[in-house]
Parts: sequence; structure tokens; C-alpha cells
Amino acid sequence: GDSVTQMEGPVTLSEEACLTINCTYTATGYPSLFWYVQYPGEGLQLLLKATKADDKGSNKGFEATYRKETTSFHLEKGSVQVSDSAVYFCALSDRGGADGLTFGKGTHLIIQP
Amino acid sequence: GAVVSQHPSWVICKSGTSVKIECRSLDFQATTMFWYRQFPKQSLMLMATSNEGSKATYEQGVEKDKFLINHASLTLSTLTVTSAHPEDSSFYICSARDIDPGNTIYFGEGSWLTVV
Repeated sequence: GDSVTQMEGPVTLSEEACLTINCTYTATGYPSLFWYVQYPGEGLQLLLKATKADDKGSNKGFEATYRKETTSFHLEKGSVQVSDSAVYFCALSDRGGADGLTFGKGTHLIIQP
Repeated sequence: GAVVSQHPSWVICKSGTSVKIECRSLDFQATTMFWYRQFPKQSLMLMATSNEGSKATYEQGVEKDKFLINHASLTLSTLTVTSAHPEDSSFYICSARDIDPGNTIYFGEGSWLTVV
């Protein structure tokens, strides 16, 4: 079946550091890929997505590129802020997100001033 | 923006009792909602797809008689954990699909269930 593997946390960085959170997947079909973010006390929010190979999703300074050859969708940001502290989930869907999602375990990101 | 609300956020119940968790779409109609559970340090796992006006579709390995799902209106789905046991203690999250526009999925804040 489908699965998502993302790097274990917590990841602790200083403000303005570069961020990469690795995500790889296995899927039987041609999935859509997502990054969700969960801020403390809130529900999961869609951060960005990509629906086909070489697509780049971007939002709030975060980027991720759909790499079919390496089955990866790594999340990157050039300069993180304290407000980026949250739990980040990589996920995939075989139906463009309209159906249930397969999630990674989540990565807790802590940004220190 | 669209909001999905879950209630309660935290619940503690005794073994053998049942507990109900509500998932509401506050400003849109959701014909489809999804229920997930997450154990510590594990992924969110899809439990079932809740369809308004019809029976829920359960994922393999999820006991439908234990996790009762009712989606009686376009804005409310409920998950009832029947005869709860300590191993049912988990984080339960719902999501709702807004078909207008574009099948966007919105998640609730989640509900922590502790069975003692």
C-alpha cells in the first residue's frame, strides 16, 4: 500500500537558518503530494501541494518539488522564523486530495530566536 | 476561511463506557468527512470515510461496530467509540471536504481521548 516517510523530529533551528524536511513516498499510482502544517492548538492546514512530476508547490516562503525519479517531496525554506514553529506533515493522495490522505508521522519544528 | 470544529478537544472516560466526538463544518457543507487517529510518534491513520446520508466506509482493520460513525447532516459527523478500552486512547482528527471550490480538505483541531 501507499506510505510516506519523513524525517524524525524534533528539528531545532535558529531563526534565519535554512530548513529542509525530507519526505519520501511509495505509491501504487501517480499520487498528489502535500505538506500540511499544524500550529499549536489548531487543526492541520494545507501548506502547499503538487499534483505532477516536477511541479513545485510554494507558500509562505516554503517550497517543495515533486521528484518522481527519487519519489521525494522535500520541504524547504531559506530563512525560518520563530512563527514557523509547528508540526509539519507530508502526505499523499491517489485522488488529488479529494479522498483520504496517507500521512507521514510528522516533524516537530522548533525555531529559536 | 473555512473552519472545521471538533468537540470535545479533550476527553477522559472510564473503560467500558462510550464516548462521542463531533466534527462540524462551520461555514460550508460537507458531504464527505474523514476520521483519522494518531498514536504517539505514529502517522495519522485514516479510519473511515463518512458520507452524508449513507453508511461510512471503513479502512481495513478498523472495527465498524466499535467506531460508530454517523453523518446525519451536511455539517456534522460523529464518531462514537463504544465500550472504550485503554488501547483506544489516541488522538482523533476529522477532516471535511468542501466541494465548492475544488474539493479542498479542511481539518479539525483534533480530540484527545484517554480511557482509564
